[in-house]
Amino acid sequence: AQKVTQAQTEISVVEKEDVTLDCVYETRDTTYYLFWYKQPPSGELVFLIRRNSFDEQNEISGRYSWNFQKSTSSFNFTITASQVVDSAVYFCALSEAEGLETSGSRLTFGEGTQLTVNP
Amino acid sequence: DTGVSQNPRHKITKRGQNVTFRCDPISEHNRLYWYRQTLGQGPEFLTYFQNEAQLEKSRLLSDRFSAERPKGSFSTLEIQRTEQGDSAMYLCASSLYGLAGSEQFFGPGTRLTVL
Repeated sequence: AQKVTQAQTEISVVEKEDVTLDCVYETRDTTYYLFWYKQPPSGELVFLIRRNSFDEQNEISGRYSWNFQKSTSSFNFTITASQVVDSAVYFCALSEAEGLETSGSRLTFGEGTQLTVNP
Repeated sequence: DTGVSQNPRHKITKRGQNVTFRCDPISEHNRLYWYRQTLGQGPEFLTYFQNEAQLEKSRLLSDRFSAERPKGSFSTLEIQRTEQGDSAMYLCASSLYGLAGSEQFFGPGTRLTVL
């Protein structure tokens, strides 16, 4: 069975601080996909990034960066120079692939980390 | 196309009543998913379709729940004889199966309150 653990329930930082959100996953599959989604107060889940299990390169997109380490089954998310608009619940999710060229099926989500960025 | 849409956005009902929600996915997407999210939790998978075929149902989906996607476009989720424990946000998502690594795009959700 697949499982995603986000140990940090709530994080509060002051604007311009860097913040890292932790994600640890469990799966028996060798092929899988990892995702991060953002859920602002409006409620709609917004896709941030997708990673497949064969690609361990870290990725940077503007103020966002992701660190994927298969050895520790972790997929951590860092926001640099946080802003008030980053305040939201962030979810890490896992999907097991059905084949070499598929996107996988259902997502298994962690319980989320509530990030509050104070001015 | 502006994304996944869901109707209604809010539904308040009395225990024992039946409710139906609708989801319209992104038009070219052939996969459609339903999730349920309760307060303070991550979304939990309920079921998904590829075109009109329902490929998987979670054990969370009791026999009071039924989902359809009759023409492979929009989908409906019906809950019969609602219970207070059914109160939650019901989320719909769609994706394009076959494109390696395509992500699921979520709608705004339908918030159900059972009194």
